[in-house]
Amino acid sequence: DTGVSQDPRHKITKRGQNVTFRCDPISEHNRLYWYRQTLGQGPEFLTYFQNEAQLEKSRLLSDRFSAERPKGSFSTLEIQRTEQGDSAMYLCASSLTTGVTEAFFGQGTRLTVV
Amino acid sequence: AQTVTQSQPEMSVQEAETVTLSCTYDTSENNYYLFWYKQPPSRQMILVIRQEAYKQQNATENRFSVNFQKAAKSFSLKISDSQLGDTAMYFCAFMRIQGAQKLVFGQGTRLTINP
Repeated sequence: DTGVSQDPRHKITKRGQNVTFRCDPISEHNRLYWYRQTLGQGPEFLTYFQNEAQLEKSRLLSDRFSAERPKGSFSTLEIQRTEQGDSAMYLCASSLTTGVTEAFFGQGTRLTVV
Repeated sequence: AQTVTQSQPEMSVQEAETVTLSCTYDTSENNYYLFWYKQPPSRQMILVIRQEAYKQQNATENRFSVNFQKAAKSFSLKISDSQLGDTAMYFCAFMRIQGAQKLVFGQGTRLTINP
């Protein structure tokens, strides 16, 4: 296992289109997180899964955003009717449930909405 | 809600010098974790060092050490004998122990190590 994997690495889309990103966490990690990072800023929390259950969502996650983690393995983040303000780096991270452990990050998906 | 502030947007030092990055945070929690993450130009975030709030001893990891001042809510990172590979964005982050254990990040400090 080589770490957290995200696909695609880059996505350019036209305003109004739908996009979907995928995250494959480290295989034994129960926790999975999505963060959004805009240029020059630190990542901001979007949502959190423990196994297949989505346990917390940020207010940043508007109705146009939806995330799933079927079977508690990979996760997808979909953005419907994209807007220019959605342009950002979307980061996925995973960690173990036991205790307080390190979150491992993927390389991110950079979304550009034109 | 917790907030994390990094007041130095950019810093630049010569190779082999020591550099200190500042971080302050605000929380009403008594027990929590603090982290420094490094984000090189390839964009993958890597953990540098972490500190448990209940531990008085400052964490160290090789050339990296922290100065944790709980009462002042301050958490600075010192990099000794800086190397060209230390060039990156550095983010300070806070995490509650309870609940989702999500990270709250500061705005970041862009550190450049010059040869």
